[in-house]
Amino acid sequence: KAGVTQTPRYLIKTRGQQVTLSCSPISGHRSVSWYQQTPGQGLQFLFEYFSETQRNKGNFPGRFSGRQFSNSRSEMNVSTLELGDSALYLCASSLAYKGMGNTEAFFGQGTRLTVV
Amino acid sequence: GIQVEQSPPDLILQEGANSTLRCNFSDSVNNLQWFHQNPWGQLINLFYIPSGTKQNGRLSATTVATERYSLLYISSSQTTDSGVYFCAVERLTPGNYGGSQGNLIFGKGTKLSVKP
Repeated sequence: KAGVTQTPRYLIKTRGQQVTLSCSPISGHRSVSWYQQTPGQGLQFLFEYFSETQRNKGNFPGRFSGRQFSNSRSEMNVSTLELGDSALYLCASSLAYKGMGNTEAFFGQGTRLTVV
Repeated sequence: GIQVEQSPPDLILQEGANSTLRCNFSDSVNNLQWFHQNPWGQLINLFYIPSGTKQNGRLSATTVATERYSLLYISSSQTTDSGVYFCAVERLTPGNYGGSQGNLIFGKGTKLSVKP
């Protein structure tokens, strides 16, 4: 069974531009979460989508947004890029059951974004 | 919010040695996972262990939920075990989607270096 797929793997963008990252979850998984990893802040939660709805959001500015499609694939967008947005962006998928919460999360290989 | 503390932050071992990594968390959790981050950044699932003990080859883990800690044991370490080990937890809170916060909270990791 295919794992979590993130595209692209690497990106170089210029300050002020915007970027869109994509995540395809494991087949049958309906929850997709996004995380940012930087050397200074570690792994931080961005947001989570379940059945096309954002149900939880971390403490990031509004420049960070996301969405989920009916096939559970998710995209995140960062507008007006800043140098500090350079990071590894990781996507995770998991099964989610109403009344039980999420189960084990599986991560993709990540997208390494460099803002110059 | 919930705090996750991992110790030690750094660990240097000779090949063949055993080690114990610890994860303390400050509140009740419904999900606890251990990951190994490979040199390319991907988080590899080691254990999904909200409570109890599990073993997988040279690795085993124990979570004592009532005392809010988890331990990861690595026996007969190999150079390929090098990397960063993360503990991550998820809280279960009341909500429309069945209580899951939908996000993992990560510790800062333990950087393991295994020397030949």
